[in-house]
Amino acid sequence: QVQLVESGGGVVQPGGSLRLSCAASGFSFSSYGIHWVRQAPGKGLEWVAFIRYDGSNKYYADSVKGRFTISRDNSKNTLFLQMNSLRAEDTAVYYCAKDSVYCLGSWGQGTLVTVSS
Amino acid sequence: QTVVTQEPSFSVSPGGTVTLTCGLSSGSVSTTYYPSWYQQTPGQAPRTLIYSTNTRSSGVPDRFSGSILGNKAALTITGAQADDESDYYCVLYMGSGIWAFGGGTKLTVL
Repeated sequence: QVQLVESGGGVVQPGGSLRLSCAASGFSFSSYGIHWVRQAPGKGLEWVAFIRYDGSNKYYADSVKGRFTISRDNSKNTLFLQMNSLRAEDTAVYYCAKDSVYCLGSWGQGTLVTVSS
Repeated sequence: QTVVTQEPSFSVSPGGTVTLTCGLSSGSVSTTYYPSWYQQTPGQAPRTLIYSTNTRSSGVPDRFSGSILGNKAALTITGAQADDESDYYCVLYMGSGIWAFGGGTKLTVL
């Protein structure tokens, strides 16, 4: 079965950087696009970024454009999110999700990022 | 910037039917937005219910259905049960590799 496991979350100071990972198994990782989605404490879900199956195209929400970079290593079935210039408003649980027919078909359990001094 | 809109909250009686909607602050939702719906309970990851307007995800009971009603996407729950009490989110594909979530609807079953 599809499994997505996020890691790399933690506490970081404003202006700092963090790199999240999403390890995938149970499907042909190199055949699917993958999303990052986040949820601030007590708030709704927010789409963050998407990368195509081969990494050829990457797309970002305006709120993270220029600060976050999505990437993938298909040889290791792993997705990444490099987050720079972090702000308090980036505090959230970050989920990776497998794309399926223009929807977010399968989700990981999330990793918490806290931006605080 | 176009915003995806959902009712902030809704309530339904056990056994009743409820329709949640997903609209746009400007314009109409159509199948070309590939509307999808997600259920989330506190502390849990979202669960995919419906994709491509009206296709149920694997394992989702048939009392959940999706459609286009007027100028909005809709999620209808028929025969609501206590464990349907959750937050429900819609997502629209806005084109050019961009997706957008609605603000979510908190559904109460009472």
